[in-house]
Amino acid sequence: QLQLQESGPGLVKPSETLSLTCNVSGGSISSSAYFWAWIRQPPGQGLEWLGTIYYSGITYYNPSLRRRVTISVDTSKNQFSLMLSSVTAADTAVYYCARLGELTLDYWGQGALVTVSS
Amino acid sequence: SSELTQDPAVSVALGQTVRITCQGDSLRSPYASWYQQKPGQAPLLVIYGKNNRPSGIPDRFSGFTSGNTASLTITGAQAEDEADYYCNFRDSSNNHLVFGGGTKLTVL
Repeated sequence: QLQLQESGPGLVKPSETLSLTCNVSGGSISSSAYFWAWIRQPPGQGLEWLGTIYYSGITYYNPSLRRRVTISVDTSKNQFSLMLSSVTAADTAVYYCARLGELTLDYWGQGALVTVSS
Repeated sequence: SSELTQDPAVSVALGQTVRITCQGDSLRSPYASWYQQKPGQAPLLVIYGKNNRPSGIPDRFSGFTSGNTASLTITGAQAEDEADYYCNFRDSSNNHLVFGGGTKLTVL
């Protein structure tokens, strides 16, 4: 059974960089059939796609966040990561990692709450 | 990029049928995915592709897409179906993903 688990600091100061890692177990991140995605959800709000990466390193980013988002992959560790720079309180959210198949986001992590505050 | 519009809230009487819709301005994928989210939980995939349900999802959930509108239908809504529902498309032209704003379903 595929499992995804987000990890990283739960508190980040304004203007700093948010960093999260998604560890994938029960399957290979190098599978040619899948992409890997980051999605976030501010408290009481809806879901927002941040970006997607393929095991080869190909990335796609939400245009509204493109200048601040970097997603990378480490196939040797079977994990992928998110960096979001110059954070503000508006970046406070639950951050999810998920697997993207041809048609859908079929497996999700449990989510990691990141609060931006001094 | 595409924008997806959902009604913010919908209610249904227990055992009745409810349809939740998702309208896009320029959808570039034939199929929507639908996710159910209960408080404090991660989204759960309930419908994908041409009306496919993951293992464990009851057959009272069904999906349909026509033109610029996707719909999720729950036939015989149960109390446990009360949740937020989000539609999602993958834009085939640029591999971007987009979510609808979500619909809060109340089962009366």
